[in-house]
Amino acid sequence: EIVMTQSPATLSVSPGERATLSCRASQSVSSNLAWYQQKPGQAPRLLIYGASTRATGIPARFSGSGSGTEFTLTISSLQSEDFAVYYCQQYNNWLALSFGGGTKVEIK
Amino acid sequence: QVQLQESGPGLVKPSETLSLTCAVSGYSISSGYYWGWIRQPPGKGLEWIGSIYHSGSTYYNPSLKSRVTISVDTSKNQFSLKLSSVTAADTAVYYCARPLIPRLDAFDIWGQGTMVTVSS
Repeated sequence: EIVMTQSPATLSVSPGERATLSCRASQSVSSNLAWYQQKPGQAPRLLIYGASTRATGIPARFSGSGSGTEFTLTISSLQSEDFAVYYCQQYNNWLALSFGGGTKVEIK
Repeated sequence: QVQLQESGPGLVKPSETLSLTCAVSGYSISSGYYWGWIRQPPGKGLEWIGSIYHSGSTYYNPSLKSRVTISVDTSKNQFSLKLSSVTAADTAVYYCARPLIPRLDAFDIWGQGTMVTVSS
């Protein structure tokens, strides 16, 4: 099983500032890495797939990078609607897809 | 557009079997894709339960494999989850989802989720 570790658990950021979220895999997942945003009471929303490709309708302020075991989600200028919990997910190992524990982005 | 809707009992007794169905609209399950179940305990993160192809081929989370059965009913355009011998630890919001492309992949279409509580 591939363990996905996200850091930090909570990130306090002011609106308009840049947010950088990290996701580490216990073994290489190549570029088979997705990022999701989840707001309270809602299903997760796909933001990034293939480590760096934005999903349909996702604003350009969201960007993903990395490959192998180290990945980053960057939100260039936080908007009020971006305060949420973010999860990474690997889909390289089909025998066991796995998610990270999440990073909560809160208003500073 | 493609929509998924979970349904099933919101309360299940310990040691019993949790059963949920995901109805798919706007797309024929028979056309392909691995259809998945994911759950989220209250206040916690996401856990993949398993996925099924329209042909019936399945992949299960190894930590749940002994208790999980996922099946598909192409005539009703739906797929189902059964989780046996449930305990309070199985209390969660259960989501069904479809991946971006016809393989095990990132999930881009999700149901709204259904809360299942395990309690006597």
